[in-house]
Amino acid sequence: AQSVTQLDSQVPVFEEAPVELRCNYSSSVSVYLFWYVQYPNQGLQLLLKYLSGSTLVESINGFEAEFNKSQTSFHLRKPSVHISDTAEYFCAVSDRPGGTSYGKLTFGQGTILTVHP
Amino acid sequence: EAGVAQSPRYKIIEKRQSVAFWCNPISGHATLYWYQQILGQGPKLLIQFQNNGVVDDSQLPKDRFSAERLKGVDSTLKIQPAKLEDSAVYLCASSFRRRADGDEQFFGPGTRLTVL
Repeated sequence: AQSVTQLDSQVPVFEEAPVELRCNYSSSVSVYLFWYVQYPNQGLQLLLKYLSGSTLVESINGFEAEFNKSQTSFHLRKPSVHISDTAEYFCAVSDRPGGTSYGKLTFGQGTILTVHP
Repeated sequence: EAGVAQSPRYKIIEKRQSVAFWCNPISGHATLYWYQQILGQGPKLLIQFQNNGVVDDSQLPKDRFSAERLKGVDSTLKIQPAKLEDSAVYLCASSFRRRADGDEQFFGPGTRLTVL
């Protein structure tokens, strides 16, 4: 069985400060990793994903995440946040093709990022 | 490309009543998912369809929840009778089932259900 733990339920930061949202996962098989963002009263949007290759993946709006297999982590970082980054962020995992849970996302509990002016 | 559509956006009912939610996935997406998101928690998969067949409904409370996708396109999720603990946002998602993109799922805006 898979599980995802997001270590911080809320992260308050000031605008232009760096931020890290932590995610650890547990799985007996190789996985795909995802970060989703949910703005108020909206559905989830994919922010970035790790499928294979470089362990550092980036989004178009300046976020990055690094897959660390030995530590089973996929932390999300941004060097300088904006007010508009205020949202809830979810880490998720699924099996790779061939796994029994391929396509089935297991989500963490979410981290609410609040950016203050 | 139109996104995943869901209706209604909000629903308030009393316990023991029934309720139904509707989802229209992105055109061409063969896989459809229903998730339950309770306040303060991450989404939890209730049921997964591949075309009009059920792939995984292991976490669907079948004594009160049912879902169908008769023509392999849109889907309905029903709760009958509702309990207080069913208060949540119900999210629908769809995917093209394409290995190259990790079977990326696209989510609708959700239906917020309040059971009084």
